[in-house]
Amino acid sequence: GQNIDQPTEMTATEGAIVQINCTYQTSGFNGLFWYQQHAGEAPTFLSYNVLDGLEEKGRFSSFLSRSKGYSYLLLKELQMKDSASYLCAVRDDKIIFGKGTRLHILP
Amino acid sequence: EAQVTQNPRYLITVTGKKLTVTCSQNMNHEYMSWYRQDPGLGLRQIYYSMNVEVTDKGDVPEGYKVSRKEKRNFPLILESPSPNQTSLYFCASNPGGVHTGELFFGEGSRLTVL
Repeated sequence: GQNIDQPTEMTATEGAIVQINCTYQTSGFNGLFWYQQHAGEAPTFLSYNVLDGLEEKGRFSSFLSRSKGYSYLLLKELQMKDSASYLCAVRDDKIIFGKGTRLHILP
Repeated sequence: EAQVTQNPRYLITVTGKKLTVTCSQNMNHEYMSWYRQDPGLGLRQIYYSMNVEVTDKGDVPEGYKVSRKEKRNFPLILESPSPNQTSLYFCASNPGGVHTGELFFGEGSRLTVL
């Protein structure tokens, strides 16, 4: 079956660094997405990893290990506006999402 | 402007009254999908379509129908809505094929069934 796991909630402090992990078990793999979603709004695209390794995009970085079925999203220099849910999604032939990680930022 | 458009954005209806939520994309994307989002359950896939006239069930297809007669449109049909279909619905599209990057989302449709 298909399964994507990520922590339900995390808390971090403004200015700090936080790592959100995602593990997956799918029948096939054609890439892994990370999305940010504020409450009641549509998800916003952050990254798409196909090959192993780290991809950096400003304050956000995403890492993928296909052999381990593992990814993480790294957020640096946290800002209050980063308080949101972060969604991990895997593409097989279809694209399925984990339940999301709600990130709380404390001042 | 490249976009995915859903209508209506908000709807309150009653049990058993058929409704359709439309979804249209202007990016010539092959892949389209419907998700519902409920607190604590994340985004769950209802149906998806790899191309015109090709549709497949996702994880929660019961009570829903879809059609893909044209590449740009992918309507979600609730033949006889029930209160457990009260949810936030998102339509999304992607170019299709392998390694094609971002999934583009519509703004969402909040449906309440009384």
